[in-house]
Amino acid sequence: AQKVTQAQTEISVVEKEDVTLDCVYETRDTTYYLFWYKQPPSGELVFLIRRNSFDEQNEISGRYSWNFQKSTSSFNFTITASQVVDSAVYFCALSEARTTDSWGKLQFGAGTQVVVTP
Amino acid sequence: NAGVMQNPRHLVRRRGQEARLRCSPMKGHSHVYWYRQLPEEGLKFMVYLQKENIIDESGMPKERFSAEFPKEGPSILRIQQVVRGDSAAYFCASSPFEARQGNEQFFGPGTRLTVL
Repeated sequence: AQKVTQAQTEISVVEKEDVTLDCVYETRDTTYYLFWYKQPPSGELVFLIRRNSFDEQNEISGRYSWNFQKSTSSFNFTITASQVVDSAVYFCALSEARTTDSWGKLQFGAGTQVVVTP
Repeated sequence: NAGVMQNPRHLVRRRGQEARLRCSPMKGHSHVYWYRQLPEEGLKFMVYLQKENIIDESGMPKERFSAEFPKEGPSILRIQQVVRGDSAAYFCASSPFEARQGNEQFFGPGTRLTVL
């Protein structure tokens, strides 16, 4: 079963618009970690943020912000005032800390392609 | 501090040949993970290794695929008798501590395998 769902396949915006990426996860663990990674056209994976299940404090870092809501099992990510360089595929990932057969492996969503045009 | 290194970056093999993908974790990292990204898909976990031990290989295909992380040297992902369906990007990641503690995994640039 898919544990991380990124329902948006592709989002296209014009530069300076805000873009919000949705991520819904599923786990029975009480302790888990959520991540966002970025994959630009060059192909490498860039770590953006990690949140543990006990830290629902939302955060803003520059143009990035995150909204973690355990009640809805969502971990959404927003880029404010998007730029062309933000064009990439963004992956949400889940790491379950206590499930023996998971051993902390990252379980990725299918990714959301963000296209920012000038 | 060099990041995770993978080589080769691009690998072309003909059907039936063997592919060897190498991964050198970040300095001080003793935990290595391999993931596969098939075209137009997300990343799928393959295997988790520590030095000289396979911790979790639940994502590895049952046949033709193997992985090792020896005491000395890089981690190796080996694919025997490759088929076209093996064409994908293979990413290696490393972490300094056990992943269950939620430590972020740092990814290498990936190896793009093309099977002709």
